[in-house]
Amino acid sequence: AQSVAQPEDQVNVAEGNPLTVKCTYSVSGNPYLFWYVQYPNRGLQFLLKYITGDNLVKGSYGFEAEFNKSQTSFHLKKPSALVSDSALYFCAVRDTTNNAGNMLTFGGGTRLMVKP
Amino acid sequence: EPEVTQTPSHQVTQMGQEVILRCVPISNHLYFYWYRQILGQKVEFLVSFYNNEISEKSEIFDDQFSVERPDGSNFTLKIRSTKLEDSAMYFCASRVSFSYNSPLHFGNGTRLTVT
Repeated sequence: AQSVAQPEDQVNVAEGNPLTVKCTYSVSGNPYLFWYVQYPNRGLQFLLKYITGDNLVKGSYGFEAEFNKSQTSFHLKKPSALVSDSALYFCAVRDTTNNAGNMLTFGGGTRLMVKP
Repeated sequence: EPEVTQTPSHQVTQMGQEVILRCVPISNHLYFYWYRQILGQKVEFLVSFYNNEISEKSEIFDDQFSVERPDGSNFTLKIRSTKLEDSAMYFCASRVSFSYNSPLHFGNGTRLTVT
């Protein structure tokens, strides 16, 4: 079974400072990893994904994430936070083994609060 | 940019009533999904649909739930006899290809309130 953990319910950061939103995962095979962002009263918007190759992936709005296989982590990062980045962030995983199905499993979400 | 659209944005119904939540996936997408998010909780998978049949479903998706693609554009979720605990935000999603690395595109959701 696949699972995702986001250990922080909320992350607070000052505008202009770097931010990190943590995610760890558990799968049987190799993972495909995704980050989504949810603004109030909106659906989930795709930010970035890791499939294979370079462990550092870049996505929308200046976000990036680093895949670390030994630590089974896929933390979301941004060098300089903006107030407009304040939202709910979800990490998700899909197991690539043949019998794992095609569904995404989401973490519980982390609320990012960026203060001016 | 094409979007997944969901209607209505908010549905209020009485316990025991049937509801149909509607979704129009992105036109060239082949895989369709329903997820739900109970207030304050995680996003949970309900069902996936491909080639006019359910490909996967979770334990949540019991006999009270059904999905249908009645025409070439709509994808619906029906709850036959709603319960209080069905109150949640329901998200429709679609993706273009069988490749596991294609991301899901989500609609803005339908907030279902069962009273």
